[in-house]
Amino acid sequence: QVQLVESGGGVVQPGRSLRLSCAASGFTFSSYAMHWVRQAPGKGLEWVALISYDGSNKYYADSVKGRFTVSRDNSKNTLYLQVNSLRAEDTTVYYCARGVNRGGWYPIDNWGQGTLVTVSS
Amino acid sequence: DIQMTQSPSSLSASVGDRITITCQASHDISNYLNWYQQKSGKAPKLLISDASNLETGVPSRFSGSRSGTHFIFTISSLQPEDIATYSCQQYDSLPLTFGGGTKVVIK
Repeated sequence: QVQLVESGGGVVQPGRSLRLSCAASGFTFSSYAMHWVRQAPGKGLEWVALISYDGSNKYYADSVKGRFTVSRDNSKNTLYLQVNSLRAEDTTVYYCARGVNRGGWYPIDNWGQGTLVTVSS
Repeated sequence: DIQMTQSPSSLSASVGDRITITCQASHDISNYLNWYQQKSGKAPKLLISDASNLETGVPSRFSGSRSGTHFIFTISSLQPEDIATYSCQQYDSLPLTFGGGTKVVIK
């Protein structure tokens, strides 16, 4: 079955950087677009970024554009999110999610368990 | 950006009750709407895609419908295991946007 396992979260000081990873298994990773979605504690879900199946197209939420970079390594079945210049409001759980090519902008059908990033001095 | 206005933000109901959650899209999104269930501390789970398509393995007490830009999610007979937060999400255009969520508790 589809498995998405995020890692790389932790406590980081404001202004610093992290790289989040998402290891995929149970499906042909290179055939699917992938999303990052985040959720602040006790809050709703916020879409962060989308990368096409081959990495050639990338899209970002305005709130992270210029600070976050999504990438993928299809040879390693791994999705990444480089998060730079971290702010307190970036303190959230980050989920990777699979997007299906079924009409619309790659609707999400499977989610990882999430990794928590805490920005604090 | 497309705004998804979800209501109510919380509801309390008894086991066996029929409950309804709505999402209003600020623009036409066709049928491009998912409903997710999120239990405490867990990742969201897709229940309904394309506004009304029940995902494989999801109990038939869950359903979704659409009327224009108004979307309705129904649990026909609430069960104790349905305690969760339910969210809608549009995928008609970027940025993908979510409703604010509805927390469902047992009365």
